[in-house]
Amino acid sequence: QLPLQESGPRLVKPSETLSLTCTISDGSVSSSAYHWAWVRQPPGQGLGYIGTIFFSGVTSYNPSLKGRVTISVDPSKSKLSLSLSSVTAADTAIYYCARVMDIVTVDSWGQGTLVIVSS
Amino acid sequence: NLMLTQPHSVSESPGKTVTISCAGSSGDIVSNSVQWYQQRPGSAPTTVIYEANQRPSGVPDRFSGSIDSSSNTASLNISGLKTEDEADYYCQSYDSRGWVFGGGTKLTVL
Repeated sequence: QLPLQESGPRLVKPSETLSLTCTISDGSVSSSAYHWAWVRQPPGQGLGYIGTIFFSGVTSYNPSLKGRVTISVDPSKSKLSLSLSSVTAADTAIYYCARVMDIVTVDSWGQGTLVIVSS
Repeated sequence: NLMLTQPHSVSESPGKTVTISCAGSSGDIVSNSVQWYQQRPGSAPTTVIYEANQRPSGVPDRFSGSIDSSSNTASLNISGLKTEDEADYYCQSYDSRGWVFGGGTKLTVL
């Protein structure tokens, strides 16, 4: 069982909301040593930062996503969530959840899930 | 705003040494943490260097990182190249907006 596993719809219609979940199976969701993040990668392109939720619950989002993104964590269910509203074709990408030590260092990545935005 | 610039591609022969650069556009890259991620085709990224020069457990010591403060550039050095090192490599740091990734460098080992 992978420590981080993304899940969610593969296909989302334009203007709708993309919702993904990352199941954290190694118990680290309850550790103050870690924070959690989402990163995405459009097909054939580089990595792009979506946002981070710190252990304190404070969130930080990429300003380029213009208020469309919400990241939350539910320790009781060991789940990290991503919500991205008003999606367009430009949001088509592989979405990765990531475990973060300190502020910026990823020490564990999910395997990624491809989300296609298309009608 | 910080931008990180990497060469689009580099290539080298097995057994040789290659260096991939990551140039910071503004500010002091030294004052920020720099990470390097390896991404093999069809796979998720993995961390090969963090905090500029630290190796996670399991990463061979053929991988090393450094920072040149005079040029505001971070570098990933891979020695004794193996065909399995063929991958995309991304540098990463952060600024007030959040994480910043370099555009990635495709390493070909031929």
